[in-house]
Amino acid sequence: DAKTTQPPSMDCAEGRAANLPCNHSTISGNEYVYWYRQIHSQGPQYIIHGLKNNETNEMASLIITEDRKSSTLILPHATLRDTAVYYCIPQRGEYGNKLVFGAGTILRVKS
Amino acid sequence: GAGVSQSPRYKVAKRGQDVALRCDPISGHVSLFWYQQALGQGPEFLTYFQNEAQLDKSGLPSDRFFAERPEGSVSTLKIQRTQQEDSAVYLCASSFGVRSTTTDTQYFGPGTRLTVL
Repeated sequence: DAKTTQPPSMDCAEGRAANLPCNHSTISGNEYVYWYRQIHSQGPQYIIHGLKNNETNEMASLIITEDRKSSTLILPHATLRDTAVYYCIPQRGEYGNKLVFGAGTILRVKS
Repeated sequence: GAGVSQSPRYKVAKRGQDVALRCDPISGHVSLFWYQQALGQGPEFLTYFQNEAQLDKSGLPSDRFFAERPEGSVSTLKIQRTQQEDSAVYLCASSFGVRSTTTDTQYFGPGTRLTVL
């Protein structure tokens, strides 16, 4: 499994964009980049995933560098409810693969 | 319901007691996973089912931990003779798990917080 490096914590002002980086320099060609978040006392919540193209959904955007060694999750207008631990997880696409969680980034959105 | 549900949400056990934790996956999801999350850490994989078959139990920490999914839907994680180090949040996740898909997103339940005294 590819190893990831994420900053331990980040602060963001409410209403501003939150940009969360992840380094995954050992990612394999068949591994997608998945992002999950975990709000306090809840189970992890799927946010977005991508292989090599940038992706956007109703929650966030995912920017993956051309060499696929790093990515950035963007929350365009952070709210207080976005305060959570964010995990970047490389994972092979086929079914049945366990998720390997690192330490993640604690994002604190402040008013 | 629309999501993964787990029960009970909280469980307090005396050391040495047996406990059973239940997971109801999203209807139609073939794959089911159990994870353990210690305080302040990320979740760690315990075991994986495809329908009723337990295909990977490499993460189970000891033979006191046992999981089953007899009809390929509801799953139960059982811990025998609980120890204080078993105190954690136990998370269940399910995914569509069909061979024809290229990606397979896991959806998590709220977890069961187990405290062993």
